[in-house]
Amino acid sequence: GDSVTQTEGLVTLTEGLPVMLNCTYQTIYSNPFLFWYVQHLNESPRLLLKSFTDNKRTEHQGFHATLHKSSSSFHLQKSSAQLSDSALYYCALSVDSAGNKLTFGIGTRVLVRP
Amino acid sequence: GPKVLQIPSHQIIDMGQMVTLNCDPVSNHLYFYWYKQILGQQMEFLVNFYNGKVMEKSKLFKDQFSVERPDGSYFTLKIQPTALEDSAVYFCASSQSNERLFFGHGTKLSVL
Repeated sequence: GDSVTQTEGLVTLTEGLPVMLNCTYQTIYSNPFLFWYVQHLNESPRLLLKSFTDNKRTEHQGFHATLHKSSSSFHLQKSSAQLSDSALYYCALSVDSAGNKLTFGIGTRVLVRP
Repeated sequence: GPKVLQIPSHQIIDMGQMVTLNCDPVSNHLYFYWYKQILGQQMEFLVNFYNGKVMEKSKLFKDQFSVERPDGSYFTLKIQPTALEDSAVYFCASSQSNERLFFGHGTKLSVL
Protein backbone atom coordinates (compact mmCIF):
# COMPACT_ATOMS: atom_id res chain seq x y z
CA GLY A 1 0.00 0.00 0.00
CA ASP A 2 0.85 3.68 -0.01
CA SER A 3 3.32 5.03 2.53
CA VAL A 4 4.86 8.35 3.55
CA THR A 5 8.20 8.75 5.30
CA GLN A 6 9.15 11.91 7.17
CA THR A 7 12.02 13.17 9.28
CA GLU A 8 11.18 11.57 12.60
CA GLY A 9 11.23 13.03 16.07
CA LEU A 10 11.99 16.58 17.08
CA VAL A 11 13.69 19.18 14.91
CA THR A 12 15.03 22.12 16.88
CA LEU A 13 15.77 25.32 14.98
CA THR A 14 16.96 28.79 15.76
CA GLU A 15 14.70 31.68 14.82
CA GLY A 16 15.70 33.22 11.52
CA LEU A 17 17.44 30.16 10.15
CA PRO A 18 16.04 28.08 7.27
CA VAL A 19 13.68 25.15 7.75
CA MET A 20 13.65 21.95 5.74
CA LEU A 21 11.47 18.97 6.60
CA ASN A 22 11.91 15.86 4.51
CA CYS A 23 9.07 13.87 3.02
CA THR A 24 9.27 10.94 0.63
CA TYR A 25 6.48 8.68 -0.47
CA GLN A 26 5.65 5.38 -2.12
CA THR A 27 2.56 4.76 -4.21
CA ILE A 28 1.50 2.84 -7.29
CA TYR A 29 -0.46 5.84 -8.54
CA SER A 30 1.33 7.90 -11.16
CA ASN A 31 -0.44 11.15 -10.22
CA PRO A 32 -0.64 11.41 -6.46
CA PHE A 33 -1.57 14.53 -4.53
CA LEU A 34 0.84 15.51 -1.76
CA PHE A 35 -0.10 17.59 1.26
CA TRP A 36 1.51 19.23 4.25
CA TYR A 37 -0.67 19.64 7.33
CA VAL A 38 0.38 21.62 10.40
CA GLN A 39 -0.89 21.15 13.94
CA HIS A 40 -0.11 23.78 16.53
CA LEU A 41 -0.38 23.00 20.23
CA ASN A 42 -4.01 22.53 21.31
CA GLU A 43 -5.25 23.04 17.77
CA SER A 44 -6.49 20.71 15.08
CA PRO A 45 -4.42 19.76 12.02
CA ARG A 46 -4.94 22.21 9.17
CA LEU A 47 -3.86 22.20 5.57
CA LEU A 48 -0.69 24.17 4.90
CA LEU A 49 -0.18 23.42 1.21
CA LYS A 50 -0.76 20.79 -1.42
CA SER A 51 0.54 19.89 -4.85
CA PHE A 52 -0.20 17.70 -7.79
CA THR A 53 2.08 19.09 -10.47
CA ASP A 54 5.54 17.66 -10.96
CA ASN A 55 8.43 20.10 -10.46
CA LYS A 56 6.19 23.06 -9.68
CA ARG A 57 6.84 25.06 -6.48
CA THR A 58 3.81 25.57 -4.23
CA GLU A 59 3.85 28.33 -1.61
CA HIS A 60 1.70 29.36 1.33
CA GLN A 61 2.33 31.45 4.43
CA GLY A 62 6.05 31.61 3.76
CA PHE A 63 6.44 27.86 3.34
CA HIS A 64 7.09 26.17 0.02
CA ALA A 65 7.39 22.67 -1.36
CA THR A 66 8.01 21.15 -4.77
CA LEU A 67 6.71 17.76 -5.80
CA HIS A 68 9.48 15.76 -7.49
CA LYS A 69 8.07 12.55 -8.89
CA SER A 70 11.51 11.40 -10.04
CA SER A 71 12.61 11.13 -6.41
CA SER A 72 9.13 10.70 -4.86
CA SER A 73 9.75 13.67 -2.61
CA PHE A 74 7.81 16.65 -1.30
CA HIS A 75 10.11 18.42 1.16
CA LEU A 76 8.81 21.42 3.08
CA GLN A 77 10.99 24.51 3.29
CA LYS A 78 10.98 28.00 4.68
CA SER A 79 13.77 30.53 4.34
CA SER A 80 13.52 31.95 7.85
CA ALA A 81 11.94 30.19 10.82
CA GLN A 82 9.68 32.09 13.21
CA LEU A 83 8.80 31.22 16.78
CA SER A 84 5.20 30.69 15.67
CA ASP A 85 6.33 27.91 13.33
CA SER A 86 6.76 25.61 16.33
CA ALA A 87 4.25 22.85 15.62
CA LEU A 88 3.76 19.29 14.41
CA TYR A 89 4.03 18.91 10.62
CA TYR A 90 2.47 16.02 8.74
CA CYS A 91 3.19 15.06 5.16
CA ALA A 92 0.35 13.15 3.51
CA LEU A 93 -0.54 11.49 0.23
CA SER A 94 -3.84 11.03 -1.58
CA VAL A 95 -5.12 9.97 -4.96
CA ASP A 96 -7.56 12.88 -5.20
CA SER A 97 -7.30 16.63 -4.74
CA ALA A 98 -9.53 16.83 -1.68
CA GLY A 99 -7.53 14.22 0.18
CA ASN A 100 -10.56 12.06 0.72
CA LYS A 101 -8.38 9.22 1.91
CA LEU A 102 -5.08 10.52 3.19
CA THR A 103 -2.04 8.42 3.97
CA PHE A 104 -0.08 10.30 6.62
CA GLY A 105 3.53 10.28 7.66
CA ILE A 106 4.34 10.00 11.34
CA GLY A 107 4.81 13.75 11.70
CA THR A 108 7.80 15.93 12.51
CA ARG A 109 7.73 18.10 15.60
CA VAL A 110 9.45 21.46 15.09
CA LEU A 111 10.62 23.65 17.92
CA VAL A 112 11.90 27.11 17.03
CA ARG A 113 14.01 28.80 19.71
CA PRO A 114 14.98 32.46 19.95
CA GLY B 1 -12.07 29.63 9.84
CA PRO B 2 -14.52 26.73 9.71
CA LYS B 3 -14.45 24.52 12.79
CA VAL B 4 -15.07 20.84 13.35
CA LEU B 5 -15.98 20.15 16.97
CA GLN B 6 -15.39 16.82 18.68
CA ILE B 7 -17.09 15.80 21.88
CA PRO B 8 -15.75 14.71 24.33
CA SER B 9 -12.06 15.57 24.18
CA HIS B 10 -11.20 12.56 26.35
CA GLN B 11 -13.17 9.41 27.09
CA ILE B 12 -12.18 6.66 29.48
CA ILE B 13 -14.08 3.38 29.40
CA ASP B 14 -13.72 -0.24 30.41
CA MET B 15 -12.94 -2.87 27.81
CA GLY B 16 -16.10 -4.43 26.43
CA GLN B 17 -18.24 -1.34 26.90
CA MET B 18 -19.77 0.63 24.08
CA VAL B 19 -18.53 4.11 23.24
CA THR B 20 -19.83 6.79 20.91
CA LEU B 21 -17.56 9.56 19.68
CA ASN B 22 -19.34 12.66 18.48
CA CYS B 23 -18.36 15.05 15.74
CA ASP B 24 -20.04 18.30 14.76
CA PRO B 25 -18.79 18.95 11.22
CA VAL B 26 -18.67 22.23 9.32
CA SER B 27 -22.28 23.11 8.59
CA ASN B 28 -22.35 22.97 4.78
CA HIS B 29 -19.94 20.07 4.36
CA LEU B 30 -21.08 16.87 2.75
CA TYR B 31 -18.21 14.42 3.29
CA PHE B 32 -17.21 13.12 6.70
CA TYR B 33 -14.24 11.10 7.88
CA TRP B 34 -12.71 9.37 10.86
CA TYR B 35 -8.99 8.87 11.34
CA LYS B 36 -7.26 6.95 14.14
CA GLN B 37 -3.91 7.80 15.67
CA ILE B 38 -2.30 5.39 18.11
CA LEU B 39 0.27 7.04 20.40
CA GLY B 40 3.58 7.44 18.60
CA GLN B 41 2.20 6.38 15.23
CA GLN B 42 0.78 8.17 12.21
CA MET B 43 -2.85 9.08 11.67
CA GLU B 44 -4.60 6.34 9.71
CA PHE B 45 -7.76 6.51 7.64
CA LEU B 46 -10.73 4.63 9.06
CA VAL B 47 -13.77 5.56 7.00
CA ASN B 48 -15.43 8.18 4.87
CA PHE B 49 -19.16 8.87 4.69
CA TYR B 50 -21.34 10.67 2.18
CA ASN B 51 -25.06 10.94 1.61
CA GLY B 52 -25.86 8.69 4.52
CA LYS B 53 -23.55 5.89 3.44
CA VAL B 54 -20.05 4.59 4.04
CA MET B 55 -18.12 5.24 0.85
CA GLU B 56 -14.85 3.60 1.74
CA LYS B 57 -13.36 1.98 4.82
CA SER B 58 -9.96 0.65 5.75
CA LYS B 59 -9.02 -2.65 7.31
CA LEU B 60 -8.84 -0.81 10.65
CA PHE B 61 -12.60 -0.27 10.49
CA LYS B 62 -13.52 -3.47 12.27
CA ASP B 63 -16.97 -5.04 12.45
CA GLN B 64 -17.33 -3.52 15.91
CA PHE B 65 -17.21 -0.04 14.38
CA SER B 66 -20.14 1.84 12.91
CA VAL B 67 -20.78 5.38 11.74
CA GLU B 68 -23.91 7.40 11.18
CA ARG B 69 -25.22 10.93 10.92
CA PRO B 70 -28.91 10.83 11.73
CA ASP B 71 -30.92 13.81 10.42
CA GLY B 72 -27.94 16.10 9.95
CA SER B 73 -26.94 15.98 13.59
CA TYR B 74 -23.61 14.75 14.93
CA PHE B 75 -21.50 12.43 12.81
CA THR B 76 -20.78 9.58 15.19
CA LEU B 77 -18.33 6.73 15.50
CA LYS B 78 -19.61 3.89 17.66
CA ILE B 79 -17.43 1.07 18.90
CA GLN B 80 -19.24 -1.90 20.40
CA PRO B 81 -17.67 -3.68 22.15
CA THR B 82 -14.40 -1.85 22.74
CA ALA B 83 -11.03 -3.58 22.94
CA LEU B 84 -7.71 -2.48 24.44
CA GLU B 85 -6.27 -1.84 20.98
CA ASP B 86 -8.98 0.75 20.32
CA SER B 87 -7.13 3.16 22.64
CA ALA B 88 -6.08 6.04 20.40
CA VAL B 89 -6.91 9.59 19.39
CA TYR B 90 -9.76 9.65 16.90
CA PHE B 91 -9.89 12.61 14.53
CA CYS B 92 -13.03 13.62 12.72
CA ALA B 93 -12.83 15.63 9.51
CA SER B 94 -15.27 17.09 7.01
CA SER B 95 -15.09 18.56 3.52
CA GLN B 96 -17.10 19.77 0.60
CA SER B 97 -16.63 18.09 -2.73
CA ASN B 98 -13.18 18.77 -4.16
CA GLU B 99 -12.13 20.91 -1.24
CA ARG B 100 -9.72 20.35 1.59
CA LEU B 101 -10.39 18.46 4.78
CA PHE B 102 -11.05 20.32 8.01
CA PHE B 103 -10.07 18.37 11.11
CA GLY B 104 -11.34 18.46 14.66
CA HIS B 105 -9.05 18.47 17.73
CA GLY B 106 -9.50 14.77 18.22
CA THR B 107 -11.03 12.62 20.97
CA LYS B 108 -8.59 10.65 23.08
CA LEU B 109 -10.12 7.26 23.84
CA SER B 110 -8.61 5.26 26.69
CA VAL B 111 -9.85 1.68 27.00
CA LEU B 112 -8.91 0.11 30.33
